[in-house]
Amino acid sequence: EVQLVESGGALVQPGGSLRLSCAASGFTLSSHWMNWVRQGPGEGLVWVSHINPDGSSISYADSVKGRFTISRDNAKNTVYLQMNSLRAEDTAVYHCVRDGMGTLPWDLWGQGTLVTVSS
Amino acid sequence: EVVLTQSPGTLSLSPGDRATLSCRTSQTVTNNFLAWHQQRPGQAPRLLIYDASTRATGIPDRFSGSGSGTDFTLTISNLEPEDFAVYYCQQYFSSTWTLGRGTKVEIK
Repeated sequence: EVQLVESGGALVQPGGSLRLSCAASGFTLSSHWMNWVRQGPGEGLVWVSHINPDGSSISYADSVKGRFTISRDNAKNTVYLQMNSLRAEDTAVYHCVRDGMGTLPWDLWGQGTLVTVSS
Repeated sequence: EVVLTQSPGTLSLSPGDRATLSCRTSQTVTNNFLAWHQQRPGQAPRLLIYDASTRATGIPDRFSGSGSGTDFTLTISNLEPEDFAVYYCQQYFSSTWTLGRGTKVEIK
């Protein structure tokens, strides 16, 4: 089955760190750009970061730049998001999302993992 | 950053009704690189429409997309119970892809 499964979400104190994982199955991860998109409580979907197939090109939303790091291990079919210096406003469900091939938009979403930043 | 404005925020309809959802962009969308995603309660979002009017694989033909420039529409004809969900438009022509805040289609 073609799917993305996120893990690693938890309750963490402000200033803390967390690493999210996204396990891909049913397709060749190394062929796709991958993204993290988050959804805060009662909010819409907001792009956080993306990474190209070989990891050589990476971008971040301004709100997380300098604090979050995206990476991937194609041999393990996994994408990661290292989150440091967490703030209350980072509280959200974090979705792993696949870019479609060629000019297609995001075409496969994971269920998401919940990150709660609170003391 | 390209801002997408979706309206209405909530649409209250009955099964069998027709739903018309709007998405306006702050810049002209080149190549019609505009998509629609559906998020059912408790589920991951899924791609419905891309390139403004092309249905993704497995999407029933009661879903249709139209529009160009800065004005786009998602139409759902003959609403089924499983169509009550939140719908997001997304642009993917600029260097940073952005989404609207969503339109919730709820049962009246």
